[in-house]
Amino acid sequence: AQKVTQAQTEISVVEKEDVTLDCVYETRDTTYYLFWYKQPPSGELVFLIRRNSFDEQNEISGRYSWNFQKSTSSFNFTITASQVVDSAVYFCALSERYRDDKIIFGKGTRLHILP
Amino acid sequence: EAQVTQNPRYLITVTGKKLTVTCSQNMNHEYMSWYRQDPGLGLRQIYYSMNVEVTDKGDVPEGYKVSRKEKRNFPLILESPSPNQTSLYFCASSSSGAAYEQYFGPGTRLTVT
Repeated sequence: AQKVTQAQTEISVVEKEDVTLDCVYETRDTTYYLFWYKQPPSGELVFLIRRNSFDEQNEISGRYSWNFQKSTSSFNFTITASQVVDSAVYFCALSERYRDDKIIFGKGTRLHILP
Repeated sequence: EAQVTQNPRYLITVTGKKLTVTCSQNMNHEYMSWYRQDPGLGLRQIYYSMNVEVTDKGDVPEGYKVSRKEKRNFPLILESPSPNQTSLYFCASSSSGAAYEQYFGPGTRLTVT
């Protein structure tokens, strides 16, 4: 069955520190998709990245980077030189291509960036 | 402007009084979905729809109904709300199924007393 585990419930770091948010997933499919979403204090949900199971290349977007490792079923998210505006809840999510069109979200990691 | 809208944004109601939360998207998306967000539980999918007249259960469908009569609209119906349905609800849409990024509405905070 699908499962997404974000073991870190809450993290606090001081501004300018690097921080990594962990995401571990379980799936029986060989074709699947992984996502990260951000929910700032204002409450909206914002898409950050999508990755399919055949693309293990790491991705970098400004201060954000993602490390996808199929061998450990992980899709971790790193923020470099964190800023106060990065304070939010971050959700990792999984969908499987050939089973159905459900989406499973992790429980989220609340990130506090302290000034 | 491409967007997903939900109404109402806030609702306080009483147990057993039927209610509908509307959701509409203007992006001609085929896939639409409802989620509820509860502290410590993250986002859980309630129902989703692949297209008009095609709906299916997510992980927590009990106590909810949906319909998809038009491509742009996907209302969530609570026939007999109960206090355990007090939650923050999000509607979302995507261009083609769960494999693509979801565009979320602003959320509806529902309180059932």
